[in-house]
Amino acid sequence: EVQLVQSGAEVKKPGESLKISCKGSGYTFSNYWIGWVRQTPGKGLEWMGIIYPGDSETRYSPSFQGQVIISVDKSNSTAYLQWSSLKASDTAIYYCARVGVTGVNGLAWFDPWGQGTLVTVSS
Amino acid sequence: EIVLTQSPGTVSLSPGERATLSCRASQTISSSYLAWYQHAPGQAPRLLMYGTSNRATGIPDRFSGSWSRTDFTLTISRLEPEDFAVYFCHHYGSSPAFGQGTKVEI
Repeated sequence: EVQLVQSGAEVKKPGESLKISCKGSGYTFSNYWIGWVRQTPGKGLEWMGIIYPGDSETRYSPSFQGQVIISVDKSNSTAYLQWSSLKASDTAIYYCARVGVTGVNGLAWFDPWGQGTLVTVSS
Repeated sequence: EIVLTQSPGTVSLSPGERATLSCRASQTISSSYLAWYQHAPGQAPRLLMYGTSNRATGIPDRFSGSWSRTDFTLTISRLEPEDFAVYFCHHYGSSPAFGQGTKVEI
């Protein structure tokens, strides 16, 4: 079974750093792009960016470029999303998801999704 | 930038009824790059449709997708109890975007 398992909920203070993870299993991790999606009550779902584990090529939404870093450790089949200095506005649920097919340069649907990681940033 | 606008925000229906959910794109997009997902509380989003009208593996045929110009539609022909959830559309072309979701409630 193809599965993405995300790290647990986090509570952080503004200014702190954070790295959350997404571990893939049941498929050849290096061959499929992995994306990150933010969900907030106010803005709904937002596409943050994607990474190709095979060569770490990364693409960011302009809205998130410079705000987060997406990385991958293909030896551990794990993708990461990290912040160097969190803001209260980063409070959200973050989902990772695998691009559903290979060979499409990252332009495909997401399937499957991880269970989500709730990040709360509050003083 | 492509904006996807879903309507209605919430729809109240009964099991057995038909649900028609809309996703309108702010500009012309290829039907090849539109997906629908179901998001039930406490669960990961689940892919329903890709390429507008292709059902994902294991998705029952009561789910169908169609489009006309910039208007995309997800239809659930007869609602089952497990279908009450939030549905959102996703453009996965060169300017990715999600709709804000439609809640289908009992």
